Formats: sequence, structure tokens, C-alpha cells
Amino acid sequence: GDSVTQMEGPVTLSEEAFLTINCTYTATGYPSLFWYVQYPGEGLQLLLKATKADDKGSNKGFEATYRKETTSFHLEKGSVQVSDSAVYFCALSNTGNQFYFGTGTSLTVIP
Amino acid sequence: DAGITQSPRHKVTETGTPVTLRCHQTENHRYMYWYRQDPGHGLRLIHYSYGVKDTDKGEVSDGYSVSRSKTEDFLLTLESATSSQTSVYFCAISGRDRGLGNTIYFGEGSWLTVV
Repeated sequence: GDSVTQMEGPVTLSEEAFLTINCTYTATGYPSLFWYVQYPGEGLQLLLKATKADDKGSNKGFEATYRKETTSFHLEKGSVQVSDSAVYFCALSNTGNQFYFGTGTSLTVIP
Repeated sequence: DAGITQSPRHKVTETGTPVTLRCHQTENHRYMYWYRQDPGHGLRLIHYSYGVKDTDKGEVSDGYSVSRSKTEDFLLTLESATSSQTSVYFCAISGRDRGLGNTIYFGEGSWLTVV
């Protein structure tokens, strides 16, 4: 079945460091791929999405490219800030309205 | 703002009592979901709805029931609350996102403690 695997956390980085959070997926066909962010005490918020191969989603300095050949959708940011501290979830949607989520990666950015 | 309101946001209840969580949307989306989030388990789907009076079970539906009598409201009921149902509950909705496929949006969460 469809599934998402994302890197285990927690991840701790210094401010202005480069961030990569790996995400790979298993799915038939051509799923849509998402990254969500969850700040403490809040719900998940859509960060970015991509709906077809080679698409790049971007938002707030974060980027992820839909790589069908490697079934990946890694999240990157060139220079993280303390305010980026949160839990990040990779997700996919294939047929219909079924969504599959990774287990989340906790990021802490220290000044 | 995804137009989703959950109530109550926080609740403490006693073991064995029934509890109902409400989700209200203003987006007129067809699909609505209830998830629970627990440390070490990520997000787990409890039930979902694909239309008025149309619901189906998710992976952790035991001990929960749902109802959807109007497009905008999706209720989650814990028939007899147990301590294992202490969790954060998220309502979500999904629908077409400006022709770019379906996207799921989440409410702010309901923190439930069963003592």
C-alpha cells in the first residue's frame, strides 16, 4: 500500500544552518506530495506541495522537489531560524481523498 | 485560515463518561476526518466522512463513533471514555485546491484528558 517514510528526529541545528529532512514514498501512479509543519500546541499547517514529477514546492524559504525516479520529496531550507523550530510531516495523497503521513521530524533551532 | 473550528479545545472527563467533540467547517468540502495524535504514533485516522450520512472507519476506530448530519459538521463521540483515549484530536477537511488536486487542512486540535 501507499506509505511515507521520513527521517527520524529529533534534529537540532544552529541558526543559519542548512536544513534537509528526508522523505521517501511508496505509491502506485502519480501521487501528490506535501510537507506540513506543526508548531507547539497547534494543528498541522500546509507548508508546501507538489502535484507532479519534477515540480518544486516552495514557501517561507523552504523547498522540496518531487523526484519520481528516487521516489523522494526532501525538504530543504538554506538558512534556518529559531522560529522554524517545529515538527515537520511529509505526506502523500494518491487516489481520491486518502492521505498518508510520515511520523514527523522534530526540528529545534538554537541561537 | 482553513475555516475549521473544533470544540471544545480542552476537556477533562472521567473514565466511563461519553464525550462528543465537534468539528465545524465553512469551506463546504465533501471530505472530513478525525485523527488522533499521540507521542510515538504520529497521526492515526479514526473515522472519515465522504458526505452527509456517509462515514467509514479508519485504522483506530474502536471505541469511537461519528455522525455527519450536515455538510459543515462532523461529530466524534467517545461512547465510554477510557484513559487510553487521552490524546489530541484533530479534525481535517479536504477538497480541490484551485484545480491542483486535493489538499487536506487541519483544525487547531482538541486536547482530551480522561482521568
